[in-house]
Amino acid sequence: DQQVKQNSPSLSVQEGRISILNCDYTNSMFDYFLWYKKYPAEGPTFLISISSIKDKNEDGRFTVFLNKSAKHLSLHIVPSQPGDSAVYFCAALNRNSGAGSYQLTFGKGTKLSVIP
Amino acid sequence: GAGVSQSPSNKVTEKGKDVELRCDPISGHTALYWYRQSLGQGLEFLIYFQGNSAPDKSGLPSDRFSAERTGGSVSTLTIQRTQQEDSAVYLCASSPLRGSYNEQFFGPGTRLTVL
Repeated sequence: DQQVKQNSPSLSVQEGRISILNCDYTNSMFDYFLWYKKYPAEGPTFLISISSIKDKNEDGRFTVFLNKSAKHLSLHIVPSQPGDSAVYFCAALNRNSGAGSYQLTFGKGTKLSVIP
Repeated sequence: GAGVSQSPSNKVTEKGKDVELRCDPISGHTALYWYRQSLGQGLEFLIYFQGNSAPDKSGLPSDRFSAERTGGSVSTLTIQRTQQEDSAVYLCASSPLRGSYNEQFFGPGTRLTVL
């Protein structure tokens, strides 16, 4: 049973436009969410995160929005650049789960292609 | 500075053989994690080491999987009697300390193919 879902396996966007990557979760105990970016043959790299006490976190071209009532978060990239082409993973954490508070639960990823 | 390194980068083995995957975490990071990513799946937690505490092995899929971390640094993930379903990319990550959440830094992974 997947607790973190990224329902779009791929997304294509024109350079300069906005990319919106979506993520849904089912576990209401998750209280911290992260986005990781992964290039081929490399490990995932941390991109941006958001705590459940917030509904928005912005870092340069990247903004993450959290809708707790809908158990939905999204990553906005604007403007999109060809170098943003990668697989993006959504991950969630329950920081109050004691021994499991470090276990990231990942979605399957969305492959973003930014077309020049 | 040096990031998390893993070796080998690729490993092809025959069904039934044992394999060892190595992870060198970032120097000074006390926490070390192993994940695996099977084809078309997200990353799946396997095991967690924190300092000298007993590791959390709750994510290991079977008793054929084991891991150790020597001297609080290098870790080895061992898979005995490999099966085809073990084929995946095995990723190691490290983070500075426990307590509040710290970002996990990932290595490039080892792609394991079991024929």
